[in-house]
Amino acid sequence: DTGVSQDPRHKITKRGQNVTFRCDPISEHNRLYWYRQTLGQGPEFLTYFQNEAQLEKSRLLSDRFSAERPKGSFSTLEIQRTEQGDSAMYLCASSSRSPSSYNEQFFGPGTRLTVL
Amino acid sequence: AQKITQTQPGMFVQEKEAVTLDCTYDTSDPSYGLFWYKQPSSGEMIFLIYQGSYDQQNATEGRYSLNFQKARKSANLVISASQLGDSAMYFCAMWGTDFGNEKLTFGTGTRLTIIP
Repeated sequence: DTGVSQDPRHKITKRGQNVTFRCDPISEHNRLYWYRQTLGQGPEFLTYFQNEAQLEKSRLLSDRFSAERPKGSFSTLEIQRTEQGDSAMYLCASSSRSPSSYNEQFFGPGTRLTVL
Repeated sequence: AQKITQTQPGMFVQEKEAVTLDCTYDTSDPSYGLFWYKQPSSGEMIFLIYQGSYDQQNATEGRYSLNFQKARKSANLVISASQLGDSAMYFCAMWGTDFGNEKLTFGTGTRLTIIP
């Protein structure tokens, strides 16, 4: 299967700990997105990469959050000093820019974070 | 800024009946796209259908069709002959070109339950 993969699928941590999530996009996709989805809500945009360049960050992404995409392949999302309000599903999506496509974003299965 | 509104938090539909899920949107972008995603209890976002703002005809994909009324800014999803496997959360989303970042803005979703 060559879809978007995320690791881990579930993470339970104590408040104040640091956590890191990984996303592997579809190999030929140059665009990668991170979204956060809290219970009962739709996903909210966090940040976006085109190749290795981080082009936009949402106001939701506080200083405790950092994302990287070295070499334009996989991406990591790190949360430092986690808070209970960080508990959510973190979704990664990828897409490719093609004149014949409508830039459908393909989503991974998500990482569910629980902060105790 | 873009906004998606889904006013039906939950719907119950008899199996084999057709169902319409409502979605209205607001944007100042002249060019935009509208998506519908399905999210089963497992959490992954599954792409269903896409409608471009300049598309003349309503999009269809198998049992899914999108009733696009541009003047009313609505993009309702119609599922024909509903099946038990259609029970899930359904999200309407849109993108608008913003420095090439086609980030998605999601609504709050509709939980669809198909009754046998």
